[in-house]
Amino acid sequence: NAGVTQTPKFRILKIGQSMTLQCTQDMNHNYMYWYRQDPGMGLKLIYYSVGAGITDKGEVPNGYNVSRSTTEDFPLRLELAAPSQTSVYFCASSYSRSDTQYFGPGTRLTVL
Amino acid sequence: ILNVEQSPQSLHVQEGDSTNFTCSFPSSNFYALHWYRWETAKSPEALFVMTLNGDEKKKGRISATLNTKEGYSYLYIKGSQPEDSATYLCAFNTNAGKSTFGDGTTLTVKP
Repeated sequence: NAGVTQTPKFRILKIGQSMTLQCTQDMNHNYMYWYRQDPGMGLKLIYYSVGAGITDKGEVPNGYNVSRSTTEDFPLRLELAAPSQTSVYFCASSYSRSDTQYFGPGTRLTVL
Repeated sequence: ILNVEQSPQSLHVQEGDSTNFTCSFPSSNFYALHWYRWETAKSPEALFVMTLNGDEKKKGRISATLNTKEGYSYLYIKGSQPEDSATYLCAFNTNAGKSTFGDGTTLTVKP
């Protein structure tokens, strides 16, 4: 099993550009999460999903969108990139709401 | 916004010292409390998940306790080693599936 994979690993965007961060898990997990980690801070929840077709906002959803058309994939979309979105983004998945979350390797995004 | 607080923010200890950290969380809508270990330039890795008031978990020199009524969990490390140096995160899960992390306690163990 590859676990949780994320692409790309690094990306530099210009202000106003759009991009999609990809996240895929092969563990048949129902729950998937997107977090951002700012310097010196912990993980802030952007969006989460409890199953295919179901998504919900976390603490910091503004400026992002998600979809969950399959169990395996949970892409995160940035429509109009802003410097405040410079961060490291982690995707995670778990089998249930009480199970351990397994994290991807992260995507480092810089918006200039 | 759910408030999950960890203290201290950072900790420096000598090899062989024992240490402990605190995670405080809301006592309502509790479903699970997780502890993760996060090394620099890596992804967080799970240590424990606890769901019942009074739970105690142990893995080697690391153990954790849970008090859901008063909303706190302790993580203990006995006989700290340099390889224990990392940031330790706690995460609070509600029964709706939402997950909120604390900002972490960064432990540095000096040889």
